[in-house]
Amino acid sequence: QQKVQQSPESLSVPEGGMASLNCTSSDRNFQYFWWYRQHSGEGPKALMSIFSDGDKKEGRFTAHLNKASLHVSLHIRDSQPSDSALYFCAASENYAQGLTFGLGTRVSVFP
Amino acid sequence: DAGVTQTPRHEVAEKGQTIILKCEPVSGHNDLFWYRQTKIQGLELLSYFRSKSLMEDGGAFKDRFKAEMLNSSFSTLKIQPTEPKDSAVYLCASSLDGNTLYFGEGSRLIVV
Repeated sequence: QQKVQQSPESLSVPEGGMASLNCTSSDRNFQYFWWYRQHSGEGPKALMSIFSDGDKKEGRFTAHLNKASLHVSLHIRDSQPSDSALYFCAASENYAQGLTFGLGTRVSVFP
Repeated sequence: DAGVTQTPRHEVAEKGQTIILKCEPVSGHNDLFWYRQTKIQGLELLSYFRSKSLMEDGGAFKDRFKAEMLNSSFSTLKIQPTEPKDSAVYLCASSLDGNTLYFGEGSRLIVV
């Protein structure tokens, strides 16, 4: 069983709309969470990290963490065609350690 | 600044061959990671080096996979012998402090 589970598997969003991605960990040792994005033919790129309960906003992206439920979400406001990509949630027990990734959510933004 | 460089970008190997994938991390980064990416399993950690010392090696991959960090600016991943199930994209990433990972574009391996 995946220690980091993401939903939905795929998501279609109209341009200008809001995309909401979810991530749940089954390992209570995970304390640090990241979101990565991967465009086709490229390696994943870090979007943002979140380590404390609550919201963290960076531009059009907002992450939310609830450590009690081990749930992390990512919301993309005003979605653009360039946001079409595979989004990964990743977690680790310690700040400096190899990350455990979920299987990803594929986001497609249509005009 | 140059990002993470991986070579080759594509490799086709016959079953039983030895394959060596190469990675040059971002200059100055202390941590280096090797991941394998498939659609079924997603991203799986193969090896993690900190300042050239092996910190983690994915248990399931010890058998035929060997990663080495020859110096702070070069790493290799050897797969010996290759099997068709090794067909995947192999990603190298580096990090300054183990926090944000910077990935290369990957090496796509097909084993026939």
